[in-house]
Amino acid sequence: DIQMTQSPSSVSASVGDRVTITCRASQGISSWLAWYQQKPGKAPKLLIYAASRLQSGVPSRFSGSGSGTDFTLTISSLQPEDFATYYCQQANSFPFTFGPGTKVDIK
Amino acid sequence: EVQLVESGGGLVKPGGSLRLSCAASGFTFSNAWMSWVRQAPGKGLEWVGRIKSKTDGGTTDYAAPVKGRFTISRDDSKNTLFLQMNSLKTEDTAVYYCTTRNSWYAFDIWGQGTMVTVSS
Repeated sequence: DIQMTQSPSSVSASVGDRVTITCRASQGISSWLAWYQQKPGKAPKLLIYAASRLQSGVPSRFSGSGSGTDFTLTISSLQPEDFATYYCQQANSFPFTFGPGTKVDIK
Repeated sequence: EVQLVESGGGLVKPGGSLRLSCAASGFTFSNAWMSWVRQAPGKGLEWVGRIKSKTDGGTTDYAAPVKGRFTISRDDSKNTLFLQMNSLKTEDTAVYYCTTRNSWYAFDIWGQGTMVTVSS
C-alpha cells in the first residue's frame, strides 16, 4: 500500500497568513493526488484534484502543486472559514489512502 | 441538486451485522463509480471499498481490514448504494460516508455520513 504523510500535523495561523501544507507519498503517484478540507461534524470537501486542478466553486486562494512523491497545498491568504483539517489522498492505486491530516487553527 | 444521503447506522454488538444505504439524486447514478469512506471518532479518513458502474463491469474492491466481511452493492433502479457489514468489530466504529469520484479518482460528492457504533 502507498503510505501518505503530511506535515505539519497542525499549524496555528492568523487571518491573512499564507499557509503551506506538505504531503509525501511512499512511492511515485504521478499527479494522482487530491486535497480535501473537513470541518468538525461535516463531510470532507474536495478542494484540489490531479495535484493542481481547482475543484469548481473553490476559491482561488487555494492552490496545489507537485508530482511524483512530493506535493503542497497552499492557502495564499487565510480566511476565517479556512480553519479546518486538510487531508491529502492518493488516487494512483488501490487501496486509495489518505494522509493523517493537518489541522489549521487560529493563532 | 446533486445529493447523497446515507442511512442505516446505529449501535450493534461485536459480531453483528448492519446494512447501510446511500440514496443518490441529481446525477446519473448508474454511470457512477461509488465508494464508501469511513472515519473513526477523532481519527482520519479511511477508504473502505468501491463498486464500478455496471457498464464498466460492476466489480468491487475492498480495503484489507474489511475484505471478506463487507460487501458493496448497488440498485441502479432505485439510485441506491449499499454496504453490508458482517462480523463487525469494535474497530469498525466510525462515521461512514458514501462518495463518488471524478475522472481523476478524487471524491467530489459526499453524503453527510451515518454513524456506526460497535460495542457490547
